[in-house]
Amino acid sequence: ETGVTQTPRHLVMGMTNKKSLKCEQHLGHNAMYWYKQSAKKPLELMFVYSLEERVENNSVPSRFSPECPNSSHLFLHLHTLQPEDSALYLCASRDRGGGTEAFFGQGTRLTVV
Amino acid sequence: GNSVTQMEGPVTLSEEAFLTINCTYTATGYPSLFWYVQYPGEGLQLLLKATKADDKGSNKGFEATYRKETTSFHLEKGSVQVSDSAVYFCALSNSNSGYALNFGKGTSLLVTP
Repeated sequence: ETGVTQTPRHLVMGMTNKKSLKCEQHLGHNAMYWYKQSAKKPLELMFVYSLEERVENNSVPSRFSPECPNSSHLFLHLHTLQPEDSALYLCASRDRGGGTEAFFGQGTRLTVV
Repeated sequence: GNSVTQMEGPVTLSEEAFLTINCTYTATGYPSLFWYVQYPGEGLQLLLKATKADDKGSNKGFEATYRKETTSFHLEKGSVQVSDSAVYFCALSNSNSGYALNFGKGTSLLVTP
């Protein structure tokens, strides 16, 4: 248990569906992240929030829409996804600073059919 | 910019063999360095870290020494077990990495009985 909780753990959705991934941390961290992990590919940073403000958006398609309503919660809203979006989506949090590690959730395994 | 390079996997070892996974980095200043481990179906967990030159991080029999002169942070374990089978990620952060960690591509380790 890392202190970062992601729900659901598994999600199967059709290309026309709308769904949301949820991430929650009660570690008092001030930065939260969404990463995408596809088979045979490096870990891809998608979004970074610091103090509830989005500070990085790495050219992610608009069918992925993040939301950070407070410092403990982070959502990833999904709509009209493609099969190639099937992946493990990882949430992480940390205290911003050079020496601090990130704490990861267990991920949501997303399958788009 | 920052970058992390890891040896390509998969690495296959017999139980009780010696493990080395190479990691080199490019960064300005004095980054902090990390090794994360990802077991099948799980998120990433911090394995060990080092925040300044010549520091040695250690955990669960794994060790890595921060070598600024060779910009390296190689992961070692003297005697691997089947339960060490996982994917290992080298990462760094510093003031130039903004809010995020920079990850290597990961090295898959399989330990056979």
